Amino acid sequence: ETGVTQSPTHLIKTRGQQVTLRCSSQSGHNTVSWYQQALGQGPQFIFQYYREEENGRGNFPPRFSGLQFPNYSSELNVNALELDDSALYLCASSPGLAGVHFEQFFGPGTRLTVL
Amino acid sequence: AQRVTQPEKLLSVFKGAPVELKCNYSYSGSPELFWYVQYSRQRLQLLLRHISRESIKGFTADLNKGETSFHLKKPFAQEEDSAMYYCALSYSGTYKYIFGTGTRLKVLA
Repeated sequence: ETGVTQSPTHLIKTRGQQVTLRCSSQSGHNTVSWYQQALGQGPQFIFQYYREEENGRGNFPPRFSGLQFPNYSSELNVNALELDDSALYLCASSPGLAGVHFEQFFGPGTRLTVL
Repeated sequence: AQRVTQPEKLLSVFKGAPVELKCNYSYSGSPELFWYVQYSRQRLQLLLRHISRESIKGFTADLNKGETSFHLKKPFAQEEDSAMYYCALSYSGTYKYIFGTGTRLKVLA
């Protein structure tokens, strides 16, 4: 069984650019959640995708958007990058809508640096 | 607003000593609470959830709705318990998670 994978591992962008981060969910999982973890902070929930539809969103502006594909892999897109977007971006998959009944399995993260 | 507070950034204890990692939350409804752990060079992983009322690796956590707390406890710390611990809240009907800022536990030999 393959775990959650994320690409790329590291990324450096400049302010104003756009970035796409990718996540492959664990086999058999149909739900993907994205988190932003700034240095010294806990993960902050961005949004969750369930069967290709957004299902729940945190307090992030519309320039943070996502997609989930039929194979349940997912992308996180961030437009008009700002310096404060520099963070570790975590993806987590679960076999159903993440909550009390379904455990989330986290990927290793993508470290984004915005200069 | 929903919030999870972990007041200690760092907690150092000696091997064999009891451990208590504090977590307080603010939420007016029925919360679902979790503890996640991240060992050095490993991924974030679920340690336990309050609804299961289970003990994992000797850790337990009791939900105290009166004090709005979900402290993580272990009677005898081991060196392999050294890690970053995050308390998290999920509130019903939304599947959103709110994480605390984390507590780094160092177990000294």
